[in-house]
Amino acid sequence: KAGVTQTPRYLIKTRGQQVTLSCSPISGHRSVSWYQQTPGQGLQFLFEYFSETQRNKGNFPGRFSGRQFSNSRSEMNVSTLELGDSALYLCASSLRDTEAFFGQGTRLTVV
Amino acid sequence: DAKTTQPNSMESNEEEPVHLPCNHSTISGTDYIHWYRQLPSQGPEYVIHGLTSNVNNRMASLAIAEDRKSSTLILHRATLRDAAVYYCILRDWGGSEKLVFGKGTKLTVNP
Repeated sequence: KAGVTQTPRYLIKTRGQQVTLSCSPISGHRSVSWYQQTPGQGLQFLFEYFSETQRNKGNFPGRFSGRQFSNSRSEMNVSTLELGDSALYLCASSLRDTEAFFGQGTRLTVV
Repeated sequence: DAKTTQPNSMESNEEEPVHLPCNHSTISGTDYIHWYRQLPSQGPEYVIHGLTSNVNNRMASLAIAEDRKSSTLILHRATLRDAAVYYCILRDWGGSEKLVFGKGTKLTVNP
């Protein structure tokens, strides 16, 4: 059974640009959540999707957005990138009310 | 979100048992206690969860205090591969899939 796949694994962007990250959940999983991990703030929840609906959103500015498609694949977008957006972005998928399975993340560097 | 308190770091020797404590004095009746770990350069990985009774699986055991205000993750024989950051998380089952990560306990395993 394939795990959670995140693409790309590494990304370098310039301040002011926008970026889209992709997450393919485990087959059959309809819940997808996104997290940001930085050395200073640790792992922080970004948003959660279930059946194409955003169920929960963390305390991040509106520059951070996401969506989920009918096949449960999810994307997150960050517009007008800032240096502080440099982080490891992690996606997790789950069946409802079960353990979360995390991908290996996308390492975003903003220069 | 209910909070948990864990020691910043712990050290163990290979093949010895490890007891990782977690305090959660504000736990509510519907909160489940989850443990995840994050190995270097990987996304978090589910370890175990429980509500009131002690739980065992192939990875670890979870001992929950009678008043549920604390719990202990037990690794019966630590290996070098168990070196990771361990997170104790409270999650309201039936609600959001959101996980609120604290700083966790960094476990070092000495050969």
